[in-house]
Amino acid sequence: QSVLTQPPSVSGAPGQTITIPCTGSGSNIGAGYDVQWYQQFPGTAPKLLIYDNNNRPSGVPDRFSGSKSGTSASLAITGLQAEDEADYYCQTYDNSLSAWGIFGGGTKLTVL
Amino acid sequence: EIQLVESGGGLVQPGESLRLSCAASGFTFSSYSMNWVRQAPGKGLEWISYISTNSYTIYYADSVRGRFTISRDNAKNSLSLLMSSLTDEDTAIYYCARVSDSTHIDFWGQGTLVAVSS
Repeated sequence: QSVLTQPPSVSGAPGQTITIPCTGSGSNIGAGYDVQWYQQFPGTAPKLLIYDNNNRPSGVPDRFSGSKSGTSASLAITGLQAEDEADYYCQTYDNSLSAWGIFGGGTKLTVL
Repeated sequence: EIQLVESGGGLVQPGESLRLSCAASGFTFSSYSMNWVRQAPGKGLEWISYISTNSYTIYYADSVRGRFTISRDNAKNSLSLLMSSLTDEDTAIYYCARVSDSTHIDFWGQGTLVAVSS
């Protein structure tokens, strides 16, 4: 069981907007630590999608956005496309653990 | 072009050891902290070890502490993970990953598969 909770799956139709929540606690997201999001297609390595809560690396479409509030963070994808079907992971730091960082359990996005 | 190329994976028996390597190129390796992250078959990402630029700061996940040893050679642009007392729970793809601003991974290798089975 991950310290960061994500729904196992979400789905949406092309063109729709979906959000993927990442729920933490007062020792991680709630403590103010930045949240990152990674995208992973089957059989490939993860890729950085969002860093420092709401920043996109070069090349990431602005359809992807991140937000954070309280002990939770969210990844939003607008104008959903078939190519967005992938696994998505949130990641942050937790001050109760002797660790560099922690990942959420991951969410499988299905484009209907 | 930034490249992280892992090697050393394979099939080993429980209790055995294995050394993974990661060859870095296309950036100033000595300026970046590095991580190892693994992913068991059909499972999510699990961070397992971190090493700072000068090797002074090292962290391990509880699941591998005492069994795995991370190291780096800045002169050779290489990162290593020595894994001992392997169990079937260590079966996973192991990714070498570059850390940016101490907080996030901005580049991942393609991974190397470690399978522990008798």
